[in-house]
Amino acid sequence: EDQVTQSPEALRLQEGESSSLNCSYTVSGLRGLFWYRQDPGKGPEFLFTLYSAGEEKEKERLKATLTKKESFLHITAPKPEDSATYLCAVRAYSGAGSYQLTFGKGTKLSVIP
Amino acid sequence: NAGVTQTPKFQVLKTGQSMTLQCAQDMNHNSMYWYRQDPGMGLRLIYYSASEGTTDKGEVPNGYNVSRLNKREFSLRLESAAPSQTSVYFCASSDVLNTEAFFGQGTRLTVV
Repeated sequence: EDQVTQSPEALRLQEGESSSLNCSYTVSGLRGLFWYRQDPGKGPEFLFTLYSAGEEKEKERLKATLTKKESFLHITAPKPEDSATYLCAVRAYSGAGSYQLTFGKGTKLSVIP
Repeated sequence: NAGVTQTPKFQVLKTGQSMTLQCAQDMNHNSMYWYRQDPGMGLRLIYYSASEGTTDKGEVPNGYNVSRLNKREFSLRLESAAPSQTSVYFCASSDVLNTEAFFGQGTRLTVV
């Protein structure tokens, strides 16, 4: 069974304190890994798509990277407005020409001024 | 540019009542989805529509039905609501099945 595990479940950072969120996966036939940001009371907002090991994407203070077993979301010098829950999702081949998308449970990031 | 619009935003139902959650997207996407999100469970797929005219069950379809009314609209119906269906429901759409998706703001449903 395909699994997506995010760690830590929750992370508190001081403003300016850089860190990384982890998304590890056990799927066969990865066909994309997606990162989303979700603010309280809102729907997830798409951030990045990564397709192959070694690929990197950046947006403001966020950088997503991908290896064969995991993805990291690096947050450089975070600000309080970066506080949110970050979700990853993995798209994998599930047979008969179909692809399945599996979401992790998320990491809740709090950035303290 | 509205993206994905869900109605209503909040709803309280009594056990056994029925209701339909509405969703519309204006991005000309082919695929649409209904998810539920519960504390500690993450996002779970209820039903999806790969393209206009098709619908398929997801991970947790029991107690729900869907209709892909046209390319823009995808509705979710609860025929006889149960307390276990208390959740936050999200509609989403994507151009290609199971790629980067765009989500609505959610419907917070409470069944008492």
